[in-house]
Amino acid sequence: GAVVSQHPSWVICKSGTSVKIECRSLDFQATTMFWYRQFPKQSLMLMATSNEGSKATYEQGVEKDKFLINHASLTLSTLTVTSAHPEDSSFYICSARDSDRFNEQYFGPGTRLTVT
Amino acid sequence: AQKITQTQPGMFVQEKEAVTLDCTYDTSDQSYGLFWYKQPSSGEMIFLIYQGSYDEQNATEGRYSLNFQKARKSANLVISASQLGDSAMYFCAMRVLTSGSRLTFGEGTQLTVNP
Repeated sequence: GAVVSQHPSWVICKSGTSVKIECRSLDFQATTMFWYRQFPKQSLMLMATSNEGSKATYEQGVEKDKFLINHASLTLSTLTVTSAHPEDSSFYICSARDSDRFNEQYFGPGTRLTVT
Repeated sequence: AQKITQTQPGMFVQEKEAVTLDCTYDTSDQSYGLFWYKQPSSGEMIFLIYQGSYDEQNATEGRYSLNFQKARKSANLVISASQLGDSAMYFCAMRVLTSGSRLTFGEGTQLTVNP
């Protein structure tokens, strides 16, 4: 299957700092990528849809100024958590849909963010 | 709006036996797709199987099969010959054509395979 990578796999940062998470589709082009957040023992919550070359679409209740998304190319989307607070600590997962294959959608390995 | 319901928070199965994980869905769209993902403790979401709403036959992928009953709006995952490595969280998800590629997830079922 297709491969989606995320970097870093885990990160610890101090309150008030910003953290950037990268999501890459390694062997296919992804015009659309998605960012999810997952708390322990819970399901995935969609945060935003990232579209190559245009602004991201945020889900209701997600602060766009806090979670900055950039999808600069067909293989890279980034999520920047700005002015991080301890409540932003979570597992962040990206997914990408192969532009040529509607039936397939692949997930990255996730990034565990801890804000101290 | 779309909704996925997984009513089994936890399931246990003996190694080598089959197990069925339940999933029901609700949508008014006629064109949709149903997915199952496995999430081990490492956190990675592993794609298992896909069923399209217009597919006449149930999807199968190795030891995984999807019991698709459209009239009942159910898409249960059947894992045959369970292995210890199957212990993980399993999520059912749906995508409708009118919502682009957005996936709606169920709450998940934690499967434990006992030796």
